Amino acid sequence: QKEVEQDPGPLSVPEGAIVSLNCTYSNSAFQYFMWYRQYSRKGPELLMYTYSSGNKEDGRFTAQVDKSSKYISLFIRDSQPSDSATYLCAMRKTSYDKVIFGPGTSLSVIP
Amino acid sequence: GAVVSQHPSWVICKSGTSVKIECRSLDFQATTMFWYRQFPKQSLMLMATSNEGSKATYEQGVEKDKFLINHASLTLSTLTVTSAHPEDSSFYICSAREVTGSGEQYFGPGTRLTVT
Repeated sequence: QKEVEQDPGPLSVPEGAIVSLNCTYSNSAFQYFMWYRQYSRKGPELLMYTYSSGNKEDGRFTAQVDKSSKYISLFIRDSQPSDSATYLCAMRKTSYDKVIFGPGTSLSVIP
Repeated sequence: GAVVSQHPSWVICKSGTSVKIECRSLDFQATTMFWYRQFPKQSLMLMATSNEGSKATYEQGVEKDKFLINHASLTLSTLTVTSAHPEDSSFYICSAREVTGSGEQYFGPGTRLTVT
């Protein structure tokens, strides 16, 4: 079993839709959870950063962490064509541990 | 915000030659830098972790004699792919972690290496 699993997609939604992206993980030691957005041929860009369980909102983006289920989610409201990218979940055990990435979900928002 | 640059952004080299990729933290000091490689439609795979002034720590399966990493200062790390082969063609991404703060990593824009 991989440490971090993520549906690779591709996921295609109409503009304005609510997008739900999810990851599951196997190691209960993970404490820090991140979501990165990566445009084609570019480096990852940090979108959301969460410590332990709970919700965090930033504009159109909401990150949720459920440590009891080992499940994290990223919601994108009012999706825009510019949101079309690959979304990578990532996590680590301590603030200075190496980051483990999920395989990424490819998202296309159709105008 | 924290900015990490990479140079070159794209390089083509002939099989058997070496190529050096630079990673710089532009507006912060980084004690630790990370090197990843990413194949098309795949996630980032950590290759090695480098700490300023000390030897890099390589992940299992990564040849340290092939992928030479130097982290000579708090703002610069280099990755040299020696005796490159076509199978080394990939997208190489570095990230840098601040000396202070949350320990968050900031990623560079990546370098696309094509070995012919």
